[in-house]
Amino acid sequence: KAGVTQTPRYLIKTRGQQVTLSCSPISGHRSVSWYQQTPGQGLQFLFEYFSETQRNKGNFPGRFSGRQFSNSRSEMNVSTLELGDSALYLCASSLGGTPGDLFGANVLTFGAGSRLTVL
Amino acid sequence: KNEVEQSPQNLTAQEGEFITINCSYSVGISALHWLQQHPGGGIVSLFMLSSGKKKHGRLIATINIQEKHSSLHITASHPRDSAVYICAVRWENQFYFGTGTSLTVIP
Repeated sequence: KAGVTQTPRYLIKTRGQQVTLSCSPISGHRSVSWYQQTPGQGLQFLFEYFSETQRNKGNFPGRFSGRQFSNSRSEMNVSTLELGDSALYLCASSLGGTPGDLFGANVLTFGAGSRLTVL
Repeated sequence: KNEVEQSPQNLTAQEGEFITINCSYSVGISALHWLQQHPGGGIVSLFMLSSGKKKHGRLIATINIQEKHSSLHITASHPRDSAVYICAVRWENQFYFGTGTSLTVIP
């Protein structure tokens, strides 16, 4: 059974550019959540999608956005990149059967992450 | 102010030792998770708890809802247990993470 796949694994961008990251969940999982991890702030929740709808959102500016497709694959986009956006971006998938209950009822399976460097 | 506090931040143990990592939180919770992150970034979900105690192999996780405290125990520690252990709490559709405990087990 394939795990959660994130692409690309590594990328370098310059300030002002935008970036799109992709996450393919485990087959049958309908919830995809995204996280940012930095040495200074640790892990922080970005947003969660379930059945193509964003149902939870963390405290990040509007430059961070995402979407989910009908096959449950998800993308996140960061526009107008800043130096502080350099981070490891992780996604996780779960069955997500209980609406709004991300961590409550379902075990998460994480991808290996996409490491973004902004110069 | 951190909603989730972990201790210790760093921990070095000899192989075979019993290890305890603590997590205290200040919010109500739906569930608490213990995550393991190995060098390179990959994260594995170890436990999901809303009450009581869970055991998987050499790992034991407990939670005391009244005291807002959880512990992760590792019995007979092994060098492959070396990783960062992160406590995560969900409350009111927000998700709070501890800063992690970096564990090194020396052979």
